[in-house]
Amino acid sequence: QVQLVQSGAEMKKPGASMKVSCQASGHTFTSYGVNWVRQAPGQGLEWMGWISGYNGNTNYAQNFQGRVTMTTDTSTSTAYMELRSLRSDDTAVYYCAREGLGHGSNYFDSWGQGTLVTVSS
Amino acid sequence: EIVMTQSPATLSVSPGERATLSCRASQSVSSNLAWHQQKRGQAPRLLIYGASTRATGVPARFSGSGSGTEFTLTISSLQSEDFAVYYCQQYSNWPYSFGQGTKLEIK
Repeated sequence: QVQLVQSGAEMKKPGASMKVSCQASGHTFTSYGVNWVRQAPGQGLEWMGWISGYNGNTNYAQNFQGRVTMTTDTSTSTAYMELRSLRSDDTAVYYCAREGLGHGSNYFDSWGQGTLVTVSS
Repeated sequence: EIVMTQSPATLSVSPGERATLSCRASQSVSSNLAWHQQKRGQAPRLLIYGASTRATGVPARFSGSGSGTEFTLTISSLQSEDFAVYYCQQYSNWPYSFGQGTKLEIK
């Protein structure tokens, strides 16, 4: 079955960078896109951006432009999300979510288990 | 940017009763609307996509309706496992956006 397995929890200092991985299995990685969504403690869901598993095209949310880079490694069916210049308000659980390619099919049908990133001095 | 607004923020319902959750988009998203369920300490789970299509394995007591800017998620007879937070999400246009969530709690 479709699975997205994310890397483990991290603790970072302000100003540092984080990189979370999301390894897919049970489907053809290049036939889907991967979204990244974060959730601060006690808060709602915030979309960060999207990357195509097919060609690596990306689209980032304005809030993260210049600080985020999303990449893929099709040889291992893994998506990565790097966030730089971390601040305390980047403390959150970060999720990856699969979406179908093509308008109308681009809903999030499978989610990773989440990765807690804590930013603290 | 499309703003999604959910109401109410919290809904208190007794088991066995019906729950109706609302979601409004600031501009039309056609039928490109999904509902996700999130239980405490868990990742979200897709319930409904295309405004009204149940995802694989979702019980028939969950139904979605609406198009354009007004959407509804109905749970016909609440079970104990349904008490959770529900988010609507539009995937019509980038940036994708979520509502702030409706917490469904036991009355």
